[in-house]
Amino acid sequence: AQSVTQPDIHITVSEGASLELRCNYSYGATPYLFWYVQSPGQGLQLLLKYFSGDTLVQGIKGFEAEFKRSQSSFNLRKPSVHWSDAAEYFCAVGAHGYGNKLVFGAGTILRVKS
Amino acid sequence: DADVTQTPRNRITKTGKRIMLECSQTKGHDRMYWYRQDPGLGLRLIYYSFDVKDINKGEISDGYSVSRQAQAKFSLSLESAIPNQTALYFCATSDLRGSYNEQFFGPGTRLTVL
Repeated sequence: AQSVTQPDIHITVSEGASLELRCNYSYGATPYLFWYVQSPGQGLQLLLKYFSGDTLVQGIKGFEAEFKRSQSSFNLRKPSVHWSDAAEYFCAVGAHGYGNKLVFGAGTILRVKS
Repeated sequence: DADVTQTPRNRITKTGKRIMLECSQTKGHDRMYWYRQDPGLGLRLIYYSFDVKDINKGEISDGYSVSRQAQAKFSLSLESAIPNQTALYFCATSDLRGSYNEQFFGPGTRLTVL
């Protein structure tokens, strides 16, 4: 069965600084990978997704993520963080023939200081 | 546009009470899911349904039941609520024919069991 690890529970960055949120997954084949964001009091919004092809994927709100098979990672990045990016971020993995089920990481809470 | 709606958005109840959380979707998706979110644990799958006649347990189904009344409606019930069922509950949908595993989430229901 697949699993997802987000090593950082909390991260604090200054506004304008770069951001990298880490995600490692465990799965025997090429997974489907997702990053979702949850703003306070809101549901989950999809930031970006990887299915195949180009390992660097672009998402909404200026985010990108890179799939590295050798490291079983799918880290989320943003070159310049805005105060409105403060939220909780979830990495998720899905699998072929797994009924569209997703397994989520525990989440990383991002705080942005001005 | 609220493609996936959940009612109620907030609920406070007492131990032993029966509670139903409702989810409706206008996306025309076949598959629907119920998750609970707890701090530090991410989202965990309670039940999922591929169509009206196909309902499956997720990883934490004990203490919960579901009903798929129609393609667009999927309800979660707590027959006898207990305090450790206090959590944020999300409904999600996905399309059998769509992007692999991508799920669309409702705004969540915050349930407190006293």
